Amino acid sequence: KAGVTQTPRYLIKTRGQQVTLSCSPISGHRSVSWYQQTPGQGLQFLFEYFSETQRNKGNFPGRFSGRQFSNSRSEMNVSTLELGDSALYLCASSLNTGLSYEQYFGPGTRLTVT
Amino acid sequence: LAKTTQPISMDSYEGQEVNITCSHNNIATNDYITWYQQFPSQGPRFIIQGYKTKVTNEVASLFIPADRKSSTLSLPRVSLSDTAVYYCLVGGMDTGRRALTFGSGTRLQVQP
Repeated sequence: KAGVTQTPRYLIKTRGQQVTLSCSPISGHRSVSWYQQTPGQGLQFLFEYFSETQRNKGNFPGRFSGRQFSNSRSEMNVSTLELGDSALYLCASSLNTGLSYEQYFGPGTRLTVT
Repeated sequence: LAKTTQPISMDSYEGQEVNITCSHNNIATNDYITWYQQFPSQGPRFIIQGYKTKVTNEVASLFIPADRKSSTLSLPRVSLSDTAVYYCLVGGMDTGRRALTFGSGTRLQVQP
């Protein structure tokens, strides 16, 4: 079974621009979560989508948004990019059944804002 | 979610058993304990999850004492490829939400 895929893997943007990152979960997984990882703040939860609905949201400004499609694929968008948005953005999917915190992470998208 | 405390770093040698302990004094009744592993520039990978006593899989063992205020991840006979950051997470299942709260983790360095 194919793992979680994220595109693009690397991205360089300029301050003020916007960016869209894509995530394809493991087949059959309906929950998709996004995380930001930086050297200073570590791994931080952005938001979670389940059945096309945002179910949970972390403490990030409104410039960070996301959506999920009917096939469970998800996108996250960051508008008006700031230098501090440079980070590794990770997507994770899970079955969302039973009592498990097992999530499957993709390789991430490395975003550099200049 | 309960706060966790882990050692910042640990060193070991190939072939040794490594035990990483995590403190979670404020763990709630319905909280589970989960461990993830992360290599540089990769997403975290689920290792093991448990509620009480001992859990073992093909990769590791998880020991949880009766009071559940701590847990120990045990990696048998580590190799160089086990060099990574290990995260201990504690969270409940009541909401069904899948937000993971990662702490600083333990950086394990395995030497030849």
